[in-house]
Amino acid sequence: GAVVSQHPSRVICKSGTSVKIECRSLDFQATTMFWYRQFPKKSLMLMATSNEGSKATYEQGVEKDKFLINHASLTLSTLTVTSAHPEDSSFYICSARPGRAKNIQYFGAGTRLSVL
Amino acid sequence: DAKTTQPPSMDCAEGRAANLPCNHSTISGNEYVYWYRQIHSQGPQYIIHGLKNNETNEMASLIITEDRKSSTLILPHATLRDTAVYYCIVNSGTYKYIFGTGTRLKVLA
Repeated sequence: GAVVSQHPSRVICKSGTSVKIECRSLDFQATTMFWYRQFPKKSLMLMATSNEGSKATYEQGVEKDKFLINHASLTLSTLTVTSAHPEDSSFYICSARPGRAKNIQYFGAGTRLSVL
Repeated sequence: DAKTTQPPSMDCAEGRAANLPCNHSTISGNEYVYWYRQIHSQGPQYIIHGLKNNETNEMASLIITEDRKSSTLILPHATLRDTAVYYCIVNSGTYKYIFGTGTRLKVLA
């Protein structure tokens, strides 16, 4: 149980385009989902907390207009990187928290974004 | 949430026990200890968590000291597939994980 699916696993796009990444909890409902970013050989950095039916909470220094988060249902959150630029190239990972657990988060496999 | 300190890297021989330490000296009474691992280019995988008692599951054992200021994750019989970065996280239920730098475990054949 507790499977989180993230799609796509890899995306290459041109500078200036927008990219949407989906995060789905497949066998549980997640009132809270999280989005992380990871640079090569670095640790995960929390970008935002996504709550179903409400606005996301962004960490300090993360641009809300650049990284749009939507959590429209209890099983789906999306991250849209708007007007992507090469510096947005990174590994993006989502996680979801089942409400019944002791704050255990289950992670997706990640999306590698390359902006040309 | 409390900060954690882990050694940056460790080696372990295949088939032997891997003991990964974590220091969380400022942990407070309601904070749990969580362990995850991240295999290259994948999302982190949940391993185990505990509050104050030792815990064991099919993947690993977690030993928490009596004063709760440190813990050790034990992989009883390490295999090559256990090579990964292991993260120790302390959290009180604010739902927000703060990842440290983790320990890069290399299991050697």
